Amino acid sequence: DVKVTQSSRYLVKRTGEKVFLECVQDMDHENMFWYRQDPGLGLRLIYFSYDVKMKEKGDIPEGYSVSREKKERFSLILESASTNQTSMYLCASSFQALYGYTFGSGTRLTVV
Amino acid sequence: GDSVTQMEGPVTLSEEAFLTINCTYTATGYPSLFWYVQYPGEGLQLLLKATKADDKGSNKGFEATYRKETTSFHLEKGSVQVSDSAVYFCALTDGGNKLVFGAGTILRVKS
Repeated sequence: DVKVTQSSRYLVKRTGEKVFLECVQDMDHENMFWYRQDPGLGLRLIYFSYDVKMKEKGDIPEGYSVSREKKERFSLILESASTNQTSMYLCASSFQALYGYTFGSGTRLTVV
Repeated sequence: GDSVTQMEGPVTLSEEAFLTINCTYTATGYPSLFWYVQYPGEGLQLLLKATKADDKGSNKGFEATYRKETTSFHLEKGSVQVSDSAVYFCALTDGGNKLVFGAGTILRVKS
């Protein structure tokens, strides 16, 4: 069964910490995405990547960066975590959007 | 740009009731349309899709028909179960690499 795996289901970090959220897919997909999901705000795209070492800003990139050194792995980095980054983070991958996305199970991050 | 509008929730139904969740879209071309479902504490799963006008997507008793004339893709199920309680997202792509999602509709089914 094809999979997108996010490294942690739950994470608690302190304000100011550098936080790494990891996402790995086993489907050889070119496209990978990071979203955050907050009540009443739906899914908001943070960053996406169409290829190795390539990245594009989404709708809310401020306070985040990403890394894609290998095709299967897409990392989201919170440079200095803040309480307003407490959220559910979802990773997804796709061959083409026409075929839909495959999502990971999500990481619920709490910044205290 | 492209956009998706879903009915606001939460939608609360009794078991075995008929479900409709409305979804309308705005797109310049001929998009493909999707419904995703998110069960509590999980990521999103593809529920069904349709790629051209008048196509009907179906899965797990859910159906949606791509209506170009009304730019709609409403999700329906004839008899809901408690296990259908989830958040439902309508989405579209115009053929590029990204999906555009609606805000999501919470469905609560009571026994």
